[in-house]
Amino acid sequence: QVQLVESGGGVVQPGTSLRLSCAASGFSISTYVMHWVRQAPGKGLEWVAFIWYDGDDKYNADSVKGRFTISRDNSNNTLYLQVNSLRAEDTAVYYCARETRGLAFDIWGPGTKVIVSS
Amino acid sequence: QSVLTQPPSASGTPGQRVTLSCSGSSSKIGSNHIFWYQQLPGTAPKLLIYKNNQRPSGVPDRFSGSKSGTSASLAISGLRSEDEADYYCAAWDDSLSVWVFGGGTRLTVL
Repeated sequence: QVQLVESGGGVVQPGTSLRLSCAASGFSISTYVMHWVRQAPGKGLEWVAFIWYDGDDKYNADSVKGRFTISRDNSNNTLYLQVNSLRAEDTAVYYCARETRGLAFDIWGPGTKVIVSS
Repeated sequence: QSVLTQPPSASGTPGQRVTLSCSGSSSKIGSNHIFWYQQLPGTAPKLLIYKNNQRPSGVPDRFSGSKSGTSASLAISGLRSEDEADYYCAAWDDSLSVWVFGGGTRLTVL
């Protein structure tokens, strides 16, 4: 069964860091561009970052540039998001998503919740 | 403020046809495909329409998409209570090299 499962969220203080993980099963992430998308409480979807097949090319939203880093380990079939210098406005559910060419984000994980609070 | 504009809410009665809109600038909608996602309460988004008007397998033909110029629409016919959800449009923004989502439309089935 093709699926993505995120982990690593939690309640953290402002200024701290987390590493979010997204484990894929049922397919190999090496043949897909992978994304992170987040959703603040009661708000809409916000694209965060994507990473090319081999990890050489990465793109981030301006709102997270310099603080968030997307990476991948194709051998372990896992996507990551290193989130540093967390702010209250980073509080959200973080989803990983697979991009199939022409289908955009066709598979999503259930999400992992990050709460930034003092 | 999202760069793809969607009305925040819409409603319809069972059996009715409703149309949700998504508008943007030429760099976002005019030259690129539009995708639609359905998010049921408490769940992850699900791909509903790709490349403006294509349905993934498993999506009922009650759902249809269209695009004209810098506007796109999602139509739902034969509205059902289980269609009550948030609907988002998305597109690649050539000028910013980022993916953008609309603010979403919450559809209520009365």
